[in-house]
Amino acid sequence: AQSVAQPEDQVNVAEGNPLTVKCTYSVSGNPYLFWYVQYPNRGLQFLLKYITGDNLVKGSYGFEAEFNKSQTSFHLKKPSALVSDSALYFCAVSPLAGFQKLVFGTGTRLLVSP
Amino acid sequence: DGGITQSPKYLFRKEGQNVTLSCEQNLNHDAMYWYRQDPGQGLRLIYYSQIVNDFQKGDIAEGYSVSREKKESFPLTVTSAQKNPTAFYLCASSSSDTQYFGPGTRLTVL
Repeated sequence: AQSVAQPEDQVNVAEGNPLTVKCTYSVSGNPYLFWYVQYPNRGLQFLLKYITGDNLVKGSYGFEAEFNKSQTSFHLKKPSALVSDSALYFCAVSPLAGFQKLVFGTGTRLLVSP
Repeated sequence: DGGITQSPKYLFRKEGQNVTLSCEQNLNHDAMYWYRQDPGQGLRLIYYSQIVNDFQKGDIAEGYSVSREKKESFPLTVTSAQKNPTAFYLCASSSSDTQYFGPGTRLTVL
């Protein structure tokens, strides 16, 4: 069965500094990996995905993620954090393309201080 | 959130009552999903539907029921059999490899 681990409940970073939100996964076969962001009392917004191809994936709002098959990781990164990036971030994995049964991590709260 | 609507935004239920949460999408997506979100637990799949008139149980289906009579609509009923229904409920839809989410309904049992 597939699983996702987000080892940090919270990440704190100063505005303008680079940020990393960690995600590791376990899945049989080729993984399909996703990052979503959630603002308070809102639904999840899609940020980016890795299906195949280049290991560095670029997404919305300047975020990117690097797929590392040997380390089974898919860390979310941004070169320069903004206060408005403060939110809850979820990593998710599916072993299938097309119809998915996504498995989500427990989420990491990102706090960007001015 | 665009293209997927959920209503109501907030819902209060007395113990022993059934309540129905609405989810509508205008994205022409075939698949629709219901998730439950609790603090510190991420999202857990309740039910999903790949096509009209067909749906499958997810990981935590007990105490819930769904229908899929139209492609655009996938309502979720929280029955009195659900022992701990207070949570944030999220609906999603997908046509290929990406799920898109609605704004959610917060259900509170009084």
